[in-house]
Amino acid sequence: GESVGLHLPTLSVQEGDNSIINCAYSNSASDYFIWYKQESGKGPQFIIDIRSNMDKRQGQRVTVLLNKTVKHLSLQIAATQPGDSAVYFCADCSGNTPLVFGKGTRLSVIA
Amino acid sequence: DAGVIQSPRHEVTEMGQEVTLRCKPISGHDYLFWYRQTMMRGLELLIYFNNNVPIDDSGMPEDRFSAKMPNASFSTLKIQPSEPRDSAVYFCASSFDSRYGYTFGSGTRLTVV
Repeated sequence: GESVGLHLPTLSVQEGDNSIINCAYSNSASDYFIWYKQESGKGPQFIIDIRSNMDKRQGQRVTVLLNKTVKHLSLQIAATQPGDSAVYFCADCSGNTPLVFGKGTRLSVIA
Repeated sequence: DAGVIQSPRHEVTEMGQEVTLRCKPISGHDYLFWYRQTMMRGLELLIYFNNNVPIDDSGMPEDRFSAKMPNASFSTLKIQPSEPRDSAVYFCASSFDSRYGYTFGSGTRLTVV
């Protein structure tokens, strides 16, 4: 799969504020992306996905935005809570090869 | 289903010893993946299987690493001989597709001293 990069390795956010985690991808033909959350001592877990026929998808307190023009996607977490502290990965799920993960972005929530 | 089960959760071994990590995938999942996670390199794919057959092992660092999947419910990752640089968290994941629907195990934290 294509490599996926992240703009910020760490992000500190005050509890209650909104968080934005960014991700860039390189393959303009990529058509499906997944965000994963990895809490301490656990494996990555699915949060939300988006296909290229959409610009935005909302879940519970999370929103993913996809900008195909600049090959960028972001994960927005509303009213960030301590339980949101984790490492977040974006994964390009296009093609037929296994997922390639970047190093991730660590989100730290300050109480 | 209990999810993907890995054992042991923690392993401390001396350099030169053989280490075997185990994984039980979710029943019905045709794909099984072994990943390694370190601070420096992040989450790296080592090898993956489809229907018990190894498909791509290009991520296996060297001949000291080997993986098997003798049946649909069990896989092993073996390191022989182990070296301190092998210290990492090793994750197993299974899925019904090569690209999505991954369920990860809790990982095995390996420390080679």
